[in-house]
Amino acid sequence: DAKTTQPPSMDCAEGRAANLPCNHSTISGNEYVYWYRQIHSQGPQYIIHGLKNNETNEMASLIITEDRKSSTLILPHATLRDTAVYYCIVRVAETGTASKLTFGTGTRLQVTL
Amino acid sequence: DGGITQSPKYLFRKEGQNVTLSCEQNLNHDAMYWYRQDPGQGLRLIYYSQIVNDFQKGDIAEGYSVSREKKESFPLTVTSAQKNPTAFYLCASSKPRRAETYGYTFGSGTRLTVV
Repeated sequence: DAKTTQPPSMDCAEGRAANLPCNHSTISGNEYVYWYRQIHSQGPQYIIHGLKNNETNEMASLIITEDRKSSTLILPHATLRDTAVYYCIVRVAETGTASKLTFGTGTRLQVTL
Repeated sequence: DGGITQSPKYLFRKEGQNVTLSCEQNLNHDAMYWYRQDPGQGLRLIYYSQIVNDFQKGDIAEGYSVSREKKESFPLTVTSAQKNPTAFYLCASSKPRRAETYGYTFGSGTRLTVV
């Protein structure tokens, strides 16, 4: 699986958009970009994933560059409850088999008043 | 509601004792996983299982053992051979054919402290 690089920490004011970057310059054509977040002392929570098109759901938007070497997770209106560690993961989506996620150290997002 | 239950939330054991962490899911997921997390670190895969009666070693399987006798259950035993067992343990599950759509579901974790 391709390695990802994320900034160790970011701050965001409540109500503003939080833009979390991820570099994955060695990504392969069949590898998806997944985002998870982990609130302190809880299990990670799935947020969103994509292959090459931009994706949006009720939690966030995922913007993937045309060359797929980087992506940005956007929380449109951050709240204090969005304070967490955000993990960007790149891997092949294998159907019919167990798939192993590799979590790096992620980005610690601190949302402030 | 469906989900993954890990118990207990906190566990204390004396050095040299084996301890078993429970993980139960009612999501009808085929695959289950165990991860370990140390302070300030990412998650590292210990073991995973695709189907009942089958499991594979992850990146840090030494000192751990698992079983998968039922689809719903994937207990993890931390043996006395694990040199540094104090950590936060997370169990997860996925339905492989839908994993790319629904992602992976994690339990709330068990914090094991060995004294």
